[in-house]
Amino acid sequence: QKEVEQNSGPLSVPEGAIASLNCTYSDRVSQSFFWYRQYSGKSPELIMSIYSNGDKEDGRFTAQLNKASQYVSLLIRDSQPSDSATYLCAVVKAAGNKLTFGGGTRVLVKP
Amino acid sequence: EPEVTQTPSHQVTQMGQEVILRCVPISNHLYFYWYRQILGQKVEFLVSFYNNEISEKSEIFDDQFSVERPDGSNFTLKIRSTKLEDSAMYFCASSETGGRQPQHFGDGTRLSIL
Repeated sequence: QKEVEQNSGPLSVPEGAIASLNCTYSDRVSQSFFWYRQYSGKSPELIMSIYSNGDKEDGRFTAQLNKASQYVSLLIRDSQPSDSATYLCAVVKAAGNKLTFGGGTRVLVKP
Repeated sequence: EPEVTQTPSHQVTQMGQEVILRCVPISNHLYFYWYRQILGQKVEFLVSFYNNEISEKSEIFDDQFSVERPDGSNFTLKIRSTKLEDSAMYFCASSETGGRQPQHFGDGTRLSIL
């Protein structure tokens, strides 16, 4: 079982719609969860961090965490063509520092 | 906004040669990291560094690799006797502290081994 799993996509959404991305993780001792955006050929760019169960909103982005289900999600509201990128879910275990990344979900926002 | 800077942006090296990738982490950050991403694959952790020593490393980070903080600002990754499979994007990252703190990535160095 992969440590961090994401649907590779592509997830195609019309401009202005909500994009919903999902991520599951296998290790229950995971304590910190991050969403990064990566444009093709570029480095990961931090979008959101979440540490507690529930929702966390930042602008058009909402991260949701459910530790019991070992599930973290990202919603992108009012999707724009500039949101077209690969979104990476990353996890840090308790007492650790390293990010363990999923394979990423490619999002295409069509005008 | 402070950022992590990496040099060079692209390095082309003959197989068997040694390369040094350089990074300047964000100035008040205490934890430094190297990751790599082979084309089309996921980002993989290599090593974390704190208080002038390695705090964690992956199985990838074998004797071929080493890290160093030669002065107060630079953080380097040395790859000895490079192999074709070392071709990848190498990302440096830093965080204020470890664990829960977000890691901020540099733009990366594309390493091409011929």
